Amino acid sequence: EDQVTQSPEALRLQEGESSSLNCSYTVSGLRGLFWYRQDPGKGPEFLFTLYSAGEEKEKERLKATLTKKESFLHITAPKPEDSATYLCAVQPRGGATNKLIFGTGTLLAVQP
Amino acid sequence: DAGVTQSPTHLIKTRGQQVTLRCSPKSGHDTVSWYQQALGQGPQFIFQYYEEEERQRGNFPDRFSGHQFPNYSSELNVNALLLGDSALYLCASSYQETQYFGPGTRLLVL
Repeated sequence: EDQVTQSPEALRLQEGESSSLNCSYTVSGLRGLFWYRQDPGKGPEFLFTLYSAGEEKEKERLKATLTKKESFLHITAPKPEDSATYLCAVQPRGGATNKLIFGTGTLLAVQP
Repeated sequence: DAGVTQSPTHLIKTRGQQVTLRCSPKSGHDTVSWYQQALGQGPQFIFQYYEEEERQRGNFPDRFSGHQFPNYSSELNVNALLLGDSALYLCASSYQETQYFGPGTRLLVL
């Protein structure tokens, strides 16, 4: 069964304190791995797509990496505005759709 | 470019009632997916529509049904509402792999 597990469930950082969020996955075949950011009461906002092991993508203070079993979202020198829930999702290869299978997310709080 | 839009933003219903949620995709997107997100959980795939047909359904009962119109907009219908249907309902549109989400409709069933 395709599954996504994110850790930690919650993370509290001081402003400027870098850290990483983990996304472990099992999938029969991976079409893509996606990271989204979700603010309270809002829809997920697309951040990155990774397609193959070794791939990396960056956007401002965020960098996402991918291996054959997990992905990391590295946050460098975070600011309070980076506080949100970060969701990881996999898109299985094959099948009729591009459906996403999500983890439960990591709730990040960055304190000034 | 307006992103994905959903209506209404909030809704309160009682058990046994029926509800219809609406979604307009991003310009140029032809595929619409619906997800249910319970509090503290990740979104769960309900179904996807393409060319006005349901292409795949997640693990949701037949009380959940949908429709896609020729202009690619979509509706999600839920019949015989249960307390457990209370959640944030998300619509996502796509043209290829990447799905873009709307703001969601918060449904509360009393």
